[in-house]
Amino acid sequence: GESVGLHLPTLSVQEGDNSIINCAYSNSASDYFIWYKQESGKGPQFIIDIRSNMDKRQGQRVTVLLNKTVKHLSLQIAATQPGDSAVYFCAEVASWGKLQFGAGTQVVVTP
Amino acid sequence: GAVVSQHPSWVICKSGTSVKIECRSLDFQATTMFWYRQFPKQSLMLMATSNEGSKATYEQGVEKDKFLINHASLTLSTLTVTSAHPEDSSFYICSAQRTSGASEQYFGPGTRLTVT
Repeated sequence: GESVGLHLPTLSVQEGDNSIINCAYSNSASDYFIWYKQESGKGPQFIIDIRSNMDKRQGQRVTVLLNKTVKHLSLQIAATQPGDSAVYFCAEVASWGKLQFGAGTQVVVTP
Repeated sequence: GAVVSQHPSWVICKSGTSVKIECRSLDFQATTMFWYRQFPKQSLMLMATSNEGSKATYEQGVEKDKFLINHASLTLSTLTVTSAHPEDSSFYICSAQRTSGASEQYFGPGTRLTVT
C-alpha cells in the first residue's frame, strides 16, 4: 500500500456494529504485518499482527485476515465501541524491522 | 510492559533555532530506535534508523545535517532539528526495538513541533 496519503478515508460505524478496515500492500515478499491504532495526538498502539504463513488471526474483539494472492489485509473489529474511534494503520515489516505504513483509515463510531 | 517516552510532548520554537527531542525506553534496552514524522491527516513516514553506538541510517530525502540523530545509550536516542523552519512543523514519533532481537517496535507518545 501507499505510505503517504493526503486524505484519510473515513469509516463511520454505529456503536455495536462490526467494523472492517481494509489495507492493500505492495511487496509480495512481505511476510509480517501489523495493525496499529492511533488516537489523536498519540503514538501508534499495537493491535494485532500476522505472519504470511497464516491467513487469519484472532485477538480480543479483533480479527486480521490476510489474502496473499491479492496482497490484501483486513482488520475486523467486533461490536465497535466509542473507544475504538481512532485512525488505524496497517504496516508491512520490511528488512531490519523497518515498518512501511499504509495510508490509514479514520474510524468514527457514532452512538 | 515496554514503555517508550518522549520529551518534550510539545514544543514551539522560532524559525532558525534548533530543537532537541528525546526518546527513551524506560523498562527495556533498545539497540535500535526509529524516528518518524507525521503530518496532519497523513501516515507515518520513517525518517531514520538509529543504532546505539553507530551512525544513523537516513531514509531517502531526509537531510542528515538537518535532522541530527544521536543514540548514545541503549535507552536514549535524540533527534535535533537544526535551523528549524515552519515546514518542519510536524508530529515526530520515535519507536524502540528490544535488544533481544524481537522485531516488535514500541512507540513513544510523539512530540508536536511548531515552528513560528
